Amino acid sequence: EAQVTQNPRYLITVTGKKLTVTCSQNMNHEYMSWYRQDPGLGLRQIYYSMNVEVTDKGDVPEGYKVSRKEKRNFPLILESPSPNQTSLYFCASRLNPGLAGGGQYFGPGTRLTVT
Amino acid sequence: DQQVKQNSPSLSVQEGRISILNCDYTNSMFDYFLWYKKYPAEGPTFLISISSIKDKNEDGRFTVFLNKSAKHLSLHIVPSQPGDSAVYFCAARSMNRDDKIIFGKGTRLHILP
Repeated sequence: EAQVTQNPRYLITVTGKKLTVTCSQNMNHEYMSWYRQDPGLGLRQIYYSMNVEVTDKGDVPEGYKVSRKEKRNFPLILESPSPNQTSLYFCASRLNPGLAGGGQYFGPGTRLTVT
Repeated sequence: DQQVKQNSPSLSVQEGRISILNCDYTNSMFDYFLWYKKYPAEGPTFLISISSIKDKNEDGRFTVFLNKSAKHLSLHIVPSQPGDSAVYFCAARSMNRDDKIIFGKGTRLHILP
């Protein structure tokens, strides 16, 4: 089954404690990205990667890091989480350059709370 | 600068009637427009898209209309069903920005029995 998986699905942590949210896709997609969803703000892109070893900032990259050592994995790293990073996070993947229609698959989301 | 705007945070429609969700954009370089549907506790799923060279695309109960001169698109759902209750995101792709997709803030659709 074609899918994007994220782990963990739920995480409560404290300010300053480093954490990693994993993302993996089994569709051999080149393009992967991370979004955060906040009330009233919709989906905002954090980072994206057009292929292995190629990453770039999205609209809200501050406080986040990513890596793309393998095609299937795109972890999101919060080196020193802060309460304003409490959010719902989605990983997505698609072919690159993909047909815009139908090409983007989203993971189920990770709800992060930073206290 | 919000390039994709969904000005209605929510919309309620009677079951069986037509649901019309609207979206406006500001960037003339967008070449593809998409609609995603999101249920609670799930990731968004792709619904339908339209190329900027077309003005209509239809898929079953879902039709998207594009008015380039007005920089406006709309999603029509006919007839509306209870399972259509969800948040709908309008999105646009910009080919000159690394194939980036920009999302609107979403519209919550409630289908009333």
